[in-house]
Amino acid sequence: DIVMTQSPHSLAVSLGERATINCKSSQSVLYSSNNKNYLAWYQQKPGQPPKLLIYWASTRESGVPDRFSGSGSGTDFTLTISSLQAEDVALYYCHQYYSSPLTFGPGTKVDIK
Amino acid sequence: EVQLVESGGGLVRPGGSLRLSCAASGFTFSTYTMNWVRQAPGKGLEWVSSISSNSNHIYYADSLKGRFTISRDNAKNSLYLQMNSLRAEDTGVYYCARDHAPYNYNDFDAFDIWGQGTTVTVSS
Repeated sequence: DIVMTQSPHSLAVSLGERATINCKSSQSVLYSSNNKNYLAWYQQKPGQPPKLLIYWASTRESGVPDRFSGSGSGTDFTLTISSLQAEDVALYYCHQYYSSPLTFGPGTKVDIK
Repeated sequence: EVQLVESGGGLVRPGGSLRLSCAASGFTFSTYTMNWVRQAPGKGLEWVSSISSNSNHIYYADSLKGRFTISRDNAKNSLYLQMNSLRAEDTGVYYCARDHAPYNYNDFDAFDIWGQGTTVTVSS
């Protein structure tokens, strides 16, 4: 099984400042035949289902603000919120869909400082 | 509007069974792989199962050990999860979720559309 880890567990950032969340997979999620990283990021607010933010590690889902960006390849990935807004307070999860069993990271809680 | 609506959750005693349903609307259900994901109270997301558009490819989390069965009825635009021999650790919110791209026969995908979830509580 591919184990996903995230760091930090939680972070508090001032409004307008940058928030960075890291995700690491226990094995590569880069598929060599198509050069795609099978890695997604979701945002979850209390009482709501997760919302897809980023797929293929760096492709922003339609309608997602451009302050959200994803980067990385292989086993190390980053979600960056370039200028934190109040509505960005949430839990963020990375997710590998490279192989079954599909697995999620434990989540990172983002708060306002 | 693209929508997924789960139903069938409730309170069940350990060892009991439940059948969850997910009604899809606003898209061509028969062309998408569909998934179940669960979330225990206060915990993270756990993938449960996936079923391809034509039901030819089915996958389960190892922890389920044959207790759960995923199925779909494309004529009814519906996804199902039959859960047997339920345990306390199966308690949580169960979400159905759609693969991001249609016609994905040989690949897994991110989940772009999620239902609001249905709550399953296993307790005596």
